Amino acid sequence: NAGVTQTPKFQVLKTGQSMTLQCAQDMNHNSMYWYRQDPGMGLRLIYYSASEGTTDKGEVPNGYNVSRLNKREFSLRLESAAPSQTSVYFCASKGDPVYGYTFGSGTRLTVV
Amino acid sequence: GDSVTQMEGPVTLSEEAFLTINCTYTATGYPSLFWYVQYPGEGLQLLLKATKADDKGSNKGFEATYRKETTSFHLEKGSVQVSDSAVYFCALSDRFGTGGFKTIFGAGTRLFVKA
Repeated sequence: NAGVTQTPKFQVLKTGQSMTLQCAQDMNHNSMYWYRQDPGMGLRLIYYSASEGTTDKGEVPNGYNVSRLNKREFSLRLESAAPSQTSVYFCASKGDPVYGYTFGSGTRLTVV
Repeated sequence: GDSVTQMEGPVTLSEEAFLTINCTYTATGYPSLFWYVQYPGEGLQLLLKATKADDKGSNKGFEATYRKETTSFHLEKGSVQVSDSAVYFCALSDRFGTGGFKTIFGAGTRLFVKA
């Protein structure tokens, strides 16, 4: 099925550990995004990539880095995890700007 | 700046009741408007959209009309089912800078439908 695939689905990290969240889409979309979702705060944009080879900061980029590996893949890296990064992370992609996003199923991350 | 405001939840309804979830927006340009739905443990799914004033988006019995005069995009369904229990997000997509687009999400409204 066409869509956005995220891995892993669940992860528990200790404070200070690093990890990379993977995201891949097979819809030939140019734009890809990373959001975090926290209770009472809705969705907040971390980083986005408008096209292959470009990345830009969103609303809450601190503590994160991204890589647009190719047109299909967009990864999010936490270099030194903190408890404040406990959240559900969603990757999304979009083709034509007037159409909506396609979201992945999310990664639930807990930092202890 | 652009913003989206939607009614606070949770909204609790009985099966077959009429649903309205209010959404209003502020935007500097002429945004596209969206409703997304999130079922428990899943990502957001696009429910419907409207790209210009007076457009009506519809899907799965849900509908919303883009009202420029009231800057609103209220979500309605005539008869809800238990399976409609989810969180609903209103969103807008608008141009910014030179050719870029940004999307603003509302905080979400949780709907519970009782049998």
